[in-house]
Amino acid sequence: EIVLTQSPGTLSLSPGERATLSCRASQRVSTDTLAWYQQKSGQAPRLLVYATSRRAAGIPDRFSGSGSGTDFTLTVNRLEPDDSAVYFCQQYVSSPKTFGQGTKVEIK
Amino acid sequence: QVQLQQWGAGLLKPSQSLSLTCAVAGGSFSGYQWTWVRQAPGQGLEWIGEINERGDTDYSPSLKSRVAMSVDTSKRQFSLSLTSVTAADTATYFCARGQGLQLWRFTHYYLDVWGRGTSVTVSS
Repeated sequence: EIVLTQSPGTLSLSPGERATLSCRASQRVSTDTLAWYQQKSGQAPRLLVYATSRRAAGIPDRFSGSGSGTDFTLTVNRLEPDDSAVYFCQQYVSSPKTFGQGTKVEIK
Repeated sequence: QVQLQQWGAGLLKPSQSLSLTCAVAGGSFSGYQWTWVRQAPGQGLEWIGEINERGDTDYSPSLKSRVAMSVDTSKRQFSLSLTSVTAADTATYFCARGQGLQLWRFTHYYLDVWGRGTSVTVSS
């Protein structure tokens, strides 16, 4: 089973700042099989990025993904109050298709 | 626009079976991996498993002995059954659509559409 470890656990930033979220895999993950989801309180997760760097439909270009091998990053530029959420990475190359434990982004 | 509408019993006693169904409104039913994910209170996301329109399944090893998924293509529905539930199965259960991305000889599925979730509590 591929274990995904996300860091930091919580990010507290001000509007307009940049958030950098990390996702580290216990073994190599193809760049085509790493996704990021955003989950706001009381809601279902929403797909942000798939295949490491491809934005899902309707996702603003403030959100960008990068990485390879075992290290992946989600960057959120020009933070807005609505970006307050928990962000999860997921690998979907091998079963079980595991998620990271999440990074909580708080907007001051 | 594809929507997933899910339902099922929200309160169970230990040892009972959980049963949830997810209906697909709009779009095609074929060519996807229909997936279940759960989230315990205050915790992260746990992948339970997936099923396609042919009924081919893949389950998480940690739940495999208690999980069964089924599909009814005529109704555009897929279902989750989890037997012998305990308090540890208390969670919000989400259904989701696995969208395929074909690379070389393989197709990999990320979750692009989600249901709103069903809260399930196991308590005596």
